[in-house]
Amino acid sequence: DAKTTQPTSMDCAEGRAANLPCNHSTISGNEYVYWYRQIHSQGPQYIIHGLKNNETNEMASLIITEDRKSSTLILPHATLRDTAVYYCIVRVVEYRDDKIIFGKGTRLHILP
Amino acid sequence: EAGVTQSPTHLIKTRGQQATLRCSPISGHTSVYWYQQALGLGLQFLLWYDEGEERNRGNFPPRFSGRQFPNYSSELNVNALELEDSALYLCASSSGQGFVAFFGQGTRLTVV
Repeated sequence: DAKTTQPTSMDCAEGRAANLPCNHSTISGNEYVYWYRQIHSQGPQYIIHGLKNNETNEMASLIITEDRKSSTLILPHATLRDTAVYYCIVRVVEYRDDKIIFGKGTRLHILP
Repeated sequence: EAGVTQSPTHLIKTRGQQATLRCSPISGHTSVYWYQQALGLGLQFLLWYDEGEERNRGNFPPRFSGRQFPNYSSELNVNALELEDSALYLCASSSGQGFVAFFGQGTRLTVV
């Protein structure tokens, strides 16, 4: 089962920052938080991941709380092309065990 | 650099038949993950192959099987097809356990 909880859907105005929250209260110390997005029936696209420090790349920023029980994905200047389902994933990596378990995700609508 | 490629793009089979789906990982990647996404639903983990061996499988019946070849490409076989097997089948690859996984565009399997 997925170890994350996300809102079902969110709206964001074009040009504004989109902040997508994720709860992962049972996360363990060696588990990473990953974000993917899926644009209508295409393969999921990797966005960003992190362990405990905040991360930034050309697509987004990932803010992880100090207790690691929640995180926020930030798309700094949302465009219509960012409309997609966003998945927050806690990845369990142990000896010979690597599970990338997707939850239901957040459907993000970017409004013109 | 070529991404993960899956073939065929679309596949139509009759109930009771067998389907074979193929996945070519990114060059240098040794891990392959398979997922099923039924229409309107989330991604369900099917199988994980690493270095030629099946390391983990999701909650699917044994008629879902696969293998990974010495060149790290992979094949998913679905025997005794049922109507409920109609779905988008996604493959992802990574450099190994715990590394970022990148997805292909999927094979749309339709069982009639």
